Amino acid sequence: GEDVEQSLFLSVREGDSSVINCTYTDSSSTYLYWYKQEPGAGLQLLTYIFSNMDMKQDQRLTVLLNKKDKHLSLRIADTQTGDSAIYFCAEKGAGTALIFGKGTTLSVSS
Amino acid sequence: TGVTQSPTHLIKTRGQQVTLSCSPISGHRSVSWYQQTPGQGLQFLFEYFSETQRNKGNFPGRFSGRQFSNSRSEMNVSTLELGDSALYLCASSPFAGGNTGELFFGEGSRLTVL
Repeated sequence: GEDVEQSLFLSVREGDSSVINCTYTDSSSTYLYWYKQEPGAGLQLLTYIFSNMDMKQDQRLTVLLNKKDKHLSLRIADTQTGDSAIYFCAEKGAGTALIFGKGTTLSVSS
Repeated sequence: TGVTQSPTHLIKTRGQQVTLSCSPISGHRSVSWYQQTPGQGLQFLFEYFSETQRNKGNFPGRFSGRQFSNSRSEMNVSTLELGDSALYLCASSPFAGGNTGELFFGEGSRLTVL
């Protein structure tokens, strides 16, 4: 079945790099995503990666995809207090729905 | 403007029914609904495109929805249960199935069932 797993919490200091990890199970997933949710807000797409790519970089964000291990990671360089939020990994399989992980709460201390 | 949902907060009692509304981004024809709870996370409810339900998640028949010709969507939950307390998120996309899967989310309707 389809399932997305991610660790629940990550705490870093301002200026450090953050790495949020995710594993998924549906090998037919065509796209994988990272969404961000700030308190009281909806989800915002941060970035996505197509399944035939290994890496995608977008400013401070780097996404790494290991298809063999079904592992996805999001690295945030120079983490700021404004990056504190919940980060969701999601996959898009054969259907139209996105399957989300339960989210990783990133806490950034100054 | 982005995706707008109403109401933003509401309180109901068990057994009542509720209707939530979603207006997608102008030009977007696909609307999806998700339920977000602390325990289960984000779970897909259904997706509508051009007034047709294209996909449905694993929820009981008490959960229903529809889409109008202007792409606005409503979802309805009948015979409310305590476990229906959640943040209901609507997301729109230009294409059915979201093409690349990019969804644009509203801020949600927070339902509390007492």
